Amino acid sequence: DSGVTQTPKHLITATGQRVTLRCSPRSGDLSVYWYQQSLDQGLQFLIQYYNGEERAKGNILERFSAQQFPDLHSELNLSSLELGDSALYFCASSAGPSRPLHFGNGTRLTVT
Amino acid sequence: GNSVTQMEGPVTLSEEAFLTINCTYTATGYPSLFWYVQYPGEGLQLLLKATKADDKGSNKGFEATYRKETTSFHLEKGSVQVSDSAVYFCALRGRDDKIIFGKGTRLHILP
Repeated sequence: DSGVTQTPKHLITATGQRVTLRCSPRSGDLSVYWYQQSLDQGLQFLIQYYNGEERAKGNILERFSAQQFPDLHSELNLSSLELGDSALYFCASSAGPSRPLHFGNGTRLTVT
Repeated sequence: GNSVTQMEGPVTLSEEAFLTINCTYTATGYPSLFWYVQYPGEGLQLLLKATKADDKGSNKGFEATYRKETTSFHLEKGSVQVSDSAVYFCALRGRDDKIIFGKGTRLHILP
């Protein structure tokens, strides 16, 4: 058990809808990372937060947004969903720079 | 920008065979390098890491050496087991603290 909790485990929704994925980092970890894993693109870095502030941005679409709250949990919001957004979304946390990432078990999103 | 390239799978080996999964990287400065493993239905787990040139990371019989001259971090294991079947990801962490992953290599070990 990595200590990182992601909910829900599975999500099925229709095109055009909006969903929110939730992540609780390991106790004491200040950094949260979001990744998208799809078969053809591998593991794509989306965004990183550190202690509530956005720290780095990757290949995140404008339809996607995220935030980290004062209690350090994070939410990833995906809107105007398209079929191509179907993927596994992972959250990871770390204690800080140069410290390893600890991954949650992911949320599998299926857009129909 | 930084990037990681690893050999495409799937890789299929018999139990007790020698394993090599190749990984090369492109980065400015001196990144930290990692191997992560993903078992079915789970998130990624850190397998081993190396933070500077010539460092050797090792864990559970797996090893990888940070080779700056060849910009490589190949994963090796002398004798694989069926339980090693998983997807393996090479990754680097640059100065900007972004962690970039390779596309993953699926490993099948046959009994």
